[in-house]
Amino acid sequence: DIVMTQSPDSLAVSLGERATINCKSSQSVLYDSNDKDYLSWYQQKPGQPPKLLIYWASTRESGVPDRFSGSGSGTDFTLTISSLQAEDVAVYYCQQYYSLPLTFGQGTKLEIK
Amino acid sequence: EVQVMESGGGLVQPGGSLRLSCAVSGFTFNNYWMTWVRQAPGKGLEWVASIKQDGSETYYVDSVKGRFTISRDSAKNSLYLQMNSLRADDTAVYYCARVQTGTVYRTFDYWGQGTLVTVSS
Repeated sequence: DIVMTQSPDSLAVSLGERATINCKSSQSVLYDSNDKDYLSWYQQKPGQPPKLLIYWASTRESGVPDRFSGSGSGTDFTLTISSLQAEDVAVYYCQQYYSLPLTFGQGTKLEIK
Repeated sequence: EVQVMESGGGLVQPGGSLRLSCAVSGFTFNNYWMTWVRQAPGKGLEWVASIKQDGSETYYVDSVKGRFTISRDSAKNSLYLQMNSLRADDTAVYYCARVQTGTVYRTFDYWGQGTLVTVSS
């Protein structure tokens, strides 16, 4: 199984500042034949289901604000929120869909400082 | 508008059974893989099972193999999860989600609100 490890577990950032969440996979999720990283990021607010933010490691889902961006390849990935807004308070999860079982990181709780 | 709505959760005793349903609308159900993901209280997300468009392929996380069965009914635009031999560690909110176009190896682009399953005596 591919283990997904996020860091940090929690993060407090001031409004308007940059927030960075890291995700590391225990093996590469880059599929050589199409040069795509099988990695997603989700946002989950309290009492709500997860919402897809980013897929293929860096493709923003339709309707997601452009302050959210994903980067990285292979085993190391980053979700960046360029200018934190109050509505971004949530838990963020990375997920690999490279191989079964599909696995998620443990989550990173983002709060306002 | 894509809509995904789970139902069927509730309180069940250890060793009991429960069947979850997921009704979808707003997209062509037959064109997509579908999946179940669960979240134990205060915990992270865990993929449970996925099923191909025509139901011919199914995949499960090891912890539910032999106990849970995923199925679908194209006539009713519905996804199901039959859960048998339930254990306390199956207690969770169960989410139904659409798999993005393609194979099982795709992200989950639309999620329902979830239904809570509590396994307790």
